[in-house]
Amino acid sequence: GAVVSQHPSRVICKSGTSVKIECRSLDFQATTMFWYRQFPKQSLMLMATSNEGSKATYEQGVEKDKFLINHASLTLSTLTVTSAHPEDSSFYICSARPGSDEQFFGPGTRLTVL
Amino acid sequence: RKEVEQDPGPFNVPEGATVAFNCTYSNSASQSFFWYRQDCRKEPKLLMSVYSSGNEDGRFTAQLNRASQYISLLIRDSKLSDSATYLCVVIRSDDYKLSFGAGTTVTVRA
Repeated sequence: GAVVSQHPSRVICKSGTSVKIECRSLDFQATTMFWYRQFPKQSLMLMATSNEGSKATYEQGVEKDKFLINHASLTLSTLTVTSAHPEDSSFYICSARPGSDEQFFGPGTRLTVL
Repeated sequence: RKEVEQDPGPFNVPEGATVAFNCTYSNSASQSFFWYRQDCRKEPKLLMSVYSSGNEDGRFTAQLNRASQYISLLIRDSKLSDSATYLCVVIRSDDYKLSFGAGTTVTVRA
């Protein structure tokens, strides 16, 4: 299947700092990528849809100024958590769809904000 | 009401047993359904799609009941390696985005 990578896999930061997470589709081009967040024992919640060359579409309740998304190329989307706080600690997962129904997920980034 | 609901479990079963669980969805216009598997602290991986007529993939059988708005997953001859959380996923018909259930945890013991 298609491969999606994420970097970093784990990050620990101080409250108030910004953290950038990269999502790359390694063997296909993705005009659309998705960013999810998963808290312990909960389902993946879609945060936003990242569109190459245009603004991201955010789900209701997700602050676009706090979670900055940039989809600069057909293989790279970045999520920046600005001024992170402990309540932002979560498992962030990206996914990409190479044209079919199936979505391929990145390995996730575990963010811990102290 | 959540879009997709699952019994969280856990289902603790011995090796070789059969285990089955359901997932209900609220949007009757939902059109595509999947089961994903998620291991602890890992990303979800597609286990199988769910077709209207029901489908099998080895020891796994998926069923869809549109009238009652639920899908099911049955695992036969459970293996230790089947221990995981199984996520029910529904594609929203309005915008084709994925909605995830919170997952059903299955633990297979020796």
